[in-house]
Amino acid sequence: ETGVTQSPTHLIKTRGQQVTLRCSSQSGHNTVSWYQQALGQGPQFIFQYYREEENGRGNFPPRFSGLQFPNYSSELNVNALELDDSALYLCASSLASTGGFGNTIYFGEGSWLTVV
Amino acid sequence: EDQVTQSPEALRLQEGESSSLNCSYTVSGLRGLFWYRQDPGKGPEFLFTLYSAGEEKEKERLKATLTKKESFLHITAPKPEDSATYLCALGGSQGNLIFGKGTKLSVKP
Repeated sequence: ETGVTQSPTHLIKTRGQQVTLRCSSQSGHNTVSWYQQALGQGPQFIFQYYREEENGRGNFPPRFSGLQFPNYSSELNVNALELDDSALYLCASSLASTGGFGNTIYFGEGSWLTVV
Repeated sequence: EDQVTQSPEALRLQEGESSSLNCSYTVSGLRGLFWYRQDPGKGPEFLFTLYSAGEEKEKERLKATLTKKESFLHITAPKPEDSATYLCALGGSQGNLIFGKGTKLSVKP
């Protein structure tokens, strides 16, 4: 086990709704990132937070947003859900001294989102 | 643009039949080449990080190697429990990982 925990594990939402996914980082890790993994694809980087500020973002629209809290836990929010948002959402944590590329990145088990 | 291509997409082996998985990459400046294992419905599990050409790392039946253009994951005498999808990733400029699509390995008894 990596110590990265995510909730919920599965959920179903209707197109146009909003969803919030939650993540608790591994103890001592100060950087959290989120990835989207569609079936049969590798994970795609959404964004990264370091010390409560977003310091990196992939090619995802603004309706994907996030937060990192003082205890380094995190949320991923997706507004105006589309059918193509159906995927496994992975949270990952690491320890970075400068907010850049740090040590090993550890993943949680993911949250399966189905949009109908 | 940093890019990762993995081959083959799927690989079927008999138990004990050794083979290799390939990860070809293009990158402006290498910030690490990572291998992960992913079981169905689970998150990726870290295996190795390689930083420079010629570097090798081993763990049980797995050995990862790195050249300036490719990385190989060698599997020696695989067992059915080695069945999984193996993901290769580059370290991105934002501290992120840039993944390939993975190789799905099936090992039959």
